[in-house]
Amino acid sequence: DGGITQSPKYLFRKEGQNVTLSCEQNLNHDAMYWYRQDPGQGLRLIYYSQIVNDFQKGDIAEGYSVSREKKESFPLTVTSAQKNPTAFYLCASSIGPGELFFGEGSRLTVL
Amino acid sequence: AQSVAQPEDQVNVAEGNPLTVKCTYSVSGNPYLFWYVQYPNRGLQFLLKYITGDNLVKGSYGFEAEFNKSQTSFHLKKPSALVSDSALYFCAVRDGRSGNTGKLIFGQGTTLQVKP
Repeated sequence: DGGITQSPKYLFRKEGQNVTLSCEQNLNHDAMYWYRQDPGQGLRLIYYSQIVNDFQKGDIAEGYSVSREKKESFPLTVTSAQKNPTAFYLCASSIGPGELFFGEGSRLTVL
Repeated sequence: AQSVAQPEDQVNVAEGNPLTVKCTYSVSGNPYLFWYVQYPNRGLQFLLKYITGDNLVKGSYGFEAEFNKSQTSFHLKKPSALVSDSALYFCAVRDGRSGNTGKLIFGQGTTLQVKP
């Protein structure tokens, strides 16, 4: 079945550590996105990529980094510079301006 | 400024009654509007979208939404609510500054509680 796979589903991190969240899609979509979800704040865009080897910052990119070496993959690294990384992270993909297809999310908790 | 507002944090309705979840938007250019549903600790599921055409859009699970250009609204509706409809609902609009991308601006979400 086609879809978006995020891993891990739950992740715990100590302060000062970088962590990488995986996002893989087999929908053959060109565009991929990372959103952060906090209670009562909806979803906020971290980074997005329209094609391989290209990506743009979203509204809250500070403390995060991404890469897009393959069409299928768009990993997100939460660096130690991100001051409040505890959140639910959602990866999505789309064909152009159409609807987004979301993964099941990764919940990151900083201990 | 481009934005989406969902004025109600929570909507409560009895099973079998009609439901409405409200959404208003502000965007440059023609709006592309979306509704998504999220169950606890899950990703978002697409319900329906408006891009052009009829103002009444039908979507998944019996949901529909009415686009009103003069009121800049896109309210989600269902004629008869089910307990299983209880979830978090998000309205979203395509960012008009983003060219041909699917970059969306989301509302803060509305929790729908359907009681038996």
